[in-house]
Amino acid sequence: QVQLQESGPGLVKPSETLSLTCAVSGDSISNYYWSWIRQPPGKALEWIGHVYHSGGTKYNPFFESRVTISFDTSKNQFALKVSSVTGADTAVYFCAGSPRRFYYDTSGEHGYMASSMDVWGRGTTVTVSS
Amino acid sequence: DIQMTQSPSTLSTSVGDRVTITCRASQRISSWLAWYQQKPGKAPKLLIYEASSLESGVPSRFSASGSGTEFTLTISSLQPDDFATYYCQQYNTYPWTFGQGTKVEVK
Repeated sequence: QVQLQESGPGLVKPSETLSLTCAVSGDSISNYYWSWIRQPPGKALEWIGHVYHSGGTKYNPFFESRVTISFDTSKNQFALKVSSVTGADTAVYFCAGSPRRFYYDTSGEHGYMASSMDVWGRGTTVTVSS
Repeated sequence: DIQMTQSPSTLSTSVGDRVTITCRASQRISSWLAWYQQKPGKAPKLLIYEASSLESGVPSRFSASGSGTEFTLTISSLQPDDFATYYCQQYNTYPWTFGQGTKVEVK
């Protein structure tokens, strides 16, 4: 069974880079897409992006070029970096995993895709303040 | 981006009630929709995937249906542990997007 644990600084200064890591334990690591999601205080969940163990990434364009997600196979962990942070980046940051699933739809299209996020870390609070 | 709109935003209800939450997508997403439950200070928990498939270990009082743009989550008989906020999320198209959440609270 896969387990996730986020770590990183709880306080980041404006204009600096937020850096978090998520340690992955358990089996089936190579069969998952690894996501970062955040939740500003009192608000809804926002998907930031995900990485596959081979290094392929997908990002939310909302974050433009500020975000980098990477996977370190030697340490079984993946990382999030958000540059040029402001107070709007204050949030609880979650890491999560989505199984890689084969799909075949009614139009005959088929392939592999990232499924829903079935494993989550506990979340870590990051405050952006000077 | 695909917008996910949940209704209602807040649901005041009682133990034993039947609860239905609706999620509408701004574009067709086939059945690539998930439902999550989140309690205060906790991570979301997957309840439903592929619009209607119950995640392992989730009580059978939870069910869901829909495809295309209209989806529903139903709790057949609300239990005390079910008071929480529920989110829908589409994973048909990047970027993945969540609904704004439905808070199920004590009446």
